[in-house]
Amino acid sequence: GAGVSQSPRYKVAKRGQDVALRCDPISGHVSLFWYQQALGQGPEFLTYFQNEAQLDKSGLPSDRFFAERPEGSVSTLKIQRTQQEDSAVYLCASSFLERSDEQYFGPGTRLTVT
Amino acid sequence: GENVEQHPSTLSVQEGDSAVIKCTYSDSASNYFPWYKQELGKGPQLIIDIRSNVGEKKDQRIAVTLNKTAKHFSLHITETQPEDSAVYFCAATESNYQLIWGAGTKLIIKP
Repeated sequence: GAGVSQSPRYKVAKRGQDVALRCDPISGHVSLFWYQQALGQGPEFLTYFQNEAQLDKSGLPSDRFFAERPEGSVSTLKIQRTQQEDSAVYLCASSFLERSDEQYFGPGTRLTVT
Repeated sequence: GENVEQHPSTLSVQEGDSAVIKCTYSDSASNYFPWYKQELGKGPQLIIDIRSNVGEKKDQRIAVTLNKTAKHFSLHITETQPEDSAVYFCAATESNYQLIWGAGTKLIIKP
């Protein structure tokens, strides 16, 4: 079956614009994670969904970041009024389990804010 | 909270030799330790993991060892091949659903 997919793969936004990043997890996976990865660093946790419930959003850097998973499958990460420091790769991962074990990652969306 | 340190940051080995990457963690409550491989332009790929009730796990050329007392775990790759070249990340659980990641090791396999 298909793995985790993300779109768009690349996004260039002018400072101040809003962006929406989409994640299609593996079908049937309960858990969905969003991470931010800066160049040359490991992923940093942003938020976690168990089905449609957002159980942890402690990693979201500011209230400009918002994530949703309304039907427990596809998820969208929205960033309002983008800033240059938002430039990074945004990774989505899903897991069959209701915890952080065995996460499968998508290819990521590279966001560049100019 | 959990803190994971990984070293070396870059490792260059001759093809056919072994590579070892080490990580230390701070939270004794952590119980799950995965290793991920990330190739350029791709998302991380889970290659092996270990849980805290196990000391060692092996999968073909890849093995992971865990020392809970010392709070460190290591990735061992034997008979390295060119396709092993990538960035490798270790991670440890912060909670049931948070992973804290190391900074990564760039592994270079020299032909």
